[in-house]
Amino acid sequence: AQTVTQSQPEMSVQEAETVTLSCTYDTSESDYYLFWYKQPPSRQMILVIRQEAYKQQNATENRFSVNFQKAAKSFSLKISDSQLGDAAMYFCARAGSNFGNEKLTFGTGTRLTIIP
Amino acid sequence: NAGVTQTPKFQVLKTGQSMTLQCAQDMNHNSMYWYRQDPGMGLRLIYYSASEGTTDKGEVPNGYNVSRLNKREFSLRLESAAPSQTSVYFCASRGLPNQPQHFGDGTRLSIL
Repeated sequence: AQTVTQSQPEMSVQEAETVTLSCTYDTSESDYYLFWYKQPPSRQMILVIRQEAYKQQNATENRFSVNFQKAAKSFSLKISDSQLGDAAMYFCARAGSNFGNEKLTFGTGTRLTIIP
Repeated sequence: NAGVTQTPKFQVLKTGQSMTLQCAQDMNHNSMYWYRQDPGMGLRLIYYSASEGTTDKGEVPNGYNVSRLNKREFSLRLESAAPSQTSVYFCASRGLPNQPQHFGDGTRLSIL
C-alpha cells in the first residue's frame, strides 16, 4: 500500500511566526500529485496548495509554500506570518497521475494551534 | 456556488437500520468519491466512480454500496448499519486528473 505519513500529531506556533508541517510518502510512480488540505472546526476540507511531482519548482500560495524533495519523498508545508484563522487540522495527501490510480491517500493529520 | 452538496448533515441510526447518503455536484466533474473520517485516522476511501456508469472499491468498502445515478449524483448506502460505521462521511468530486478534489461539508453519522 502506498502510504502518507504525518509524524507530528500536533503543532503550535505564535501568531505572526512561521511554522513547518512535515509529510513523507511512499510511491513507486514517477509522476503524481501532492496536496495539503486544511480542515477547520467547521469540518470543511479546503485545498491549501498542490504540487505536481514532475515540476521541480516548489509551489507557493500567498503565505503558504512547500518544500518538495522528490528523492527523499518529502513534502512539507510552511506557513509564514501565522494568523489565528490558520488554526485547523492539516492533511497531506497524494494522488497518482494515471487513470484509475488517481485516488487520494491521506495522512493522519496535524492539528495546528495558533497562540495569540 | 454550490459545488458538492451532501445530505443529510447529521443522522442518528439504530443498529440494523438502512440509510442512503446523497451527494450531488454541479461542476460537471467526471470522478466522484466517498470517504470516511475517523479520529486519528485521516480520510479513507470507501468507494469511487471514475466516470458515469463505473464504480470501484476503495480502501474500506465492506458494509457499503454505492450508486452513480448520473454524472451529478453519487449515493452511498448502508444496508444494515453497525456501530463501527459511526463516522463523518465526505463526498468529493474531481474534474481533470491533474485537478484537486472538491469536498462536500460532510455528514456526521452516529449508529447506536
